[in-house]
Amino acid sequence: GAVVSQHPSWVICKSGTSVKIECRSLDFQATTMFWYRQFPKQSLMLMATSNEGSKATYEQGVEKDKFLINHASLTLSTLTVTSAHPEDSSFYICSARMGQGYEKLFFGSGTQLSVL
Amino acid sequence: GEDVEQSLFLSVREGDSSVINCTYTDSSSTYLYWYKQEPGAGLQLLTYIFSNMDMKQDQRLTVLLNKKDKHLSLRIADTQTGDSAIYFCAESITGDKLIFGTGTRLQVFP
Repeated sequence: GAVVSQHPSWVICKSGTSVKIECRSLDFQATTMFWYRQFPKQSLMLMATSNEGSKATYEQGVEKDKFLINHASLTLSTLTVTSAHPEDSSFYICSARMGQGYEKLFFGSGTQLSVL
Repeated sequence: GEDVEQSLFLSVREGDSSVINCTYTDSSSTYLYWYKQEPGAGLQLLTYIFSNMDMKQDQRLTVLLNKKDKHLSLRIADTQTGDSAIYFCAESITGDKLIFGTGTRLQVFP
C-alpha cells in the first residue's frame, strides 16, 4: 500500500527555537497533504491543508505565522513550528491524499514534539 | 456545528465481538470512515461507508449506519489481541473536510 513517511518521530527542543517536521509520500504523488494536531485523549484537529505549489489553507484559530507550511513538491510537505513554546507540545500527524476521495488518504506515523 | 463523539474506552475478552459507537451531528456527511491507530503509529483506514448505505461488511468488520439518528457503529467479530488500538470514526462533509471523533481505546484481554 501507499506509504507516508514522517520525520522526525519525536523531537525535544528549547523554548524559542524552531522545529521542522517533514512529511513525504514515498510511492505516490500527493497534490494535497494535511497537517493535524492531536492532544492526549483527544481527537485529531485539522490545522491546515497544503496544496502543492500554492499557499496552505489554515483552519480557524491556527496561526499561520507560527505554523509555517511548505509544499514545494508532489512528495514533500514540511511544517515548521516557529518560536516554539511549551503549549506547542503535542503530537503532529500529516497525511497525504492520492487522488480524490478520503479513502485514498494515507497517514504518517506522527511526530511527538516536546518543548522545554 | 460539526461534532463527532465516541466513548473513550471499551474492554472485551478475546474471541468476543466488539462494538464501537459513534455519533455525529452534520447531516450533510457524504462518507463516514473508521480508522485504527496503534501506539506510535499513524492512522490506518479500516473501512468506510457512503452515507446512503445502511450496512457494509468486510471480513470481520461490519459497519452500521443509522442516518436518521446520525449513529455509526463498527463491529469487530472474533476480536483478537492484535485489535487492541484506538479507533476513530470520521465524517467527510461538504467543503472537503474530514472531522474526526475523539477516539475509542479498545483493549482486548485473554
